Amino acid sequence: RKEVEQDPGPFNVPEGATVAFNCTYSNSASQSFFWYRQDCRKEPKLLMSVYSSGNEDGRFTAQLNRASQYISLLIRDSKLSDSATYLCAVDSNDYKLSFGAGTTVTVRA
Amino acid sequence: GAVVSQHPSRVICKSGTSVKIECRSLDFQATTMFWYRQFPKKSLMLMATSNEGSKATYEQGVEKDKFLINHASLTLSTLTVTSAHPEDSSFYICSANTGNTGELFFGEGSRLTVL
Repeated sequence: RKEVEQDPGPFNVPEGATVAFNCTYSNSASQSFFWYRQDCRKEPKLLMSVYSSGNEDGRFTAQLNRASQYISLLIRDSKLSDSATYLCAVDSNDYKLSFGAGTTVTVRA
Repeated sequence: GAVVSQHPSRVICKSGTSVKIECRSLDFQATTMFWYRQFPKKSLMLMATSNEGSKATYEQGVEKDKFLINHASLTLSTLTVTSAHPEDSSFYICSANTGNTGELFFGEGSRLTVL
């Protein structure tokens, strides 16, 4: 089983729609969780950390479900500029992060 | 925020040659840096952990003699792809963290094409 797994998508949504997707992880001892955004042929950039209580940053909401070992990302009121690949990252140990293969989101006009 | 810079951003080389990629932390000291490679539509795969002043720690399946890592200072780590082959063509990305939150900061990445 992979350490971190994501639905690759793509999720094709119209502007203004809400889109949500999950990321499952295998290490129950993981403590740190992140969502990164990666544009085509660019480096990943941190979108948000995921806290136990769930957190929101503008149109983005991240949730952690420890019991089922997954994190989720929800994007409200999608913009064209939200089109990207979203990578989840989960720590293993010593600050090493394992990444999912990414979920591709395409927002259409 | 912390900035990690990588150079070159793109390199094309012939089979059999060696290519060096530099990774610098610009506004913080990084005792540890990480090297990843990414194939198209695939996840970032950790290759090795670069430790300042000591040998790098390689992930299983990564040849240390093929991918030489040197972390000679607190702000610079280098990855040298030796005797490059076309299958080494990939996107190589370095990263570092400040040790405070576990958040990784990534370099811009280096796209290697081996002809």
